[in-house]
Amino acid sequence: AQSVTQLDSHVSVSEGTPVLLRCNYSSSYSPSLFWYVQHPNKGLQLLLKYTSAATLVKGINGFEAEFKKSETSFHLTKPSAHMSDAAEYFCVVSPNFGNEKLTFGTGTRLTIIP
Amino acid sequence: DTGVSQDPRHKITKRGQNVTFRCDPISEHNRLYWYRQTLGQGPEFLTYFQNEAQLEKSRLLSDRFSAERPKGSFSTLEIQRTEQGDSAMYLCASSYGTGGEGYTFGSGTRLTVV
Repeated sequence: AQSVTQLDSHVSVSEGTPVLLRCNYSSSYSPSLFWYVQHPNKGLQLLLKYTSAATLVKGINGFEAEFKKSETSFHLTKPSAHMSDAAEYFCVVSPNFGNEKLTFGTGTRLTIIP
Repeated sequence: DTGVSQDPRHKITKRGQNVTFRCDPISEHNRLYWYRQTLGQGPEFLTYFQNEAQLEKSRLLSDRFSAERPKGSFSTLEIQRTEQGDSAMYLCASSYGTGGEGYTFGSGTRLTVV
């Protein structure tokens, strides 16, 4: 069984300040982990992925995430928020053994304050 | 390559009517997935195909739902005798191989049952 918990349903930061979106996972297997972003009326876009290589993963638009097995966490960060970052963010886990069914968290809505 | 296409973008139907959605995946992708997303929630897995074979169905997929991928290319999702609880965004995604690289999602079909 696998699950994902996004610890904040809504995060607000000022433009230019750091972003932290928190995610904890549970998986019976060595998982693959992803962050997806969803802008209003648009499809889900892959930000970054962890697939058992480097634990610090860099993604698009300046985002990165660190896989911490001891803490079962995969938090998403960005040093400096931009207005265009305002969106819904989903942490996602996959069991990584052939059936790549994704399990999504409930999402974190990121608001950027001008 | 124009990404994953879904049609229609929006569908409003009366309760009890049948509806059919179409998904055209990225041409070289052999796996195709359907997810459902309700307001304020993350997407939930419905079913997936490898080529034309439907390999897994979620218990969310009641007998009123049927999905096909007859030639291993596009897929259709049909809902018979729609209910108000079927109102949601229906998302299609595709991947090549096991999908460990992440999926490519379409923009979704928003279904409203009145």
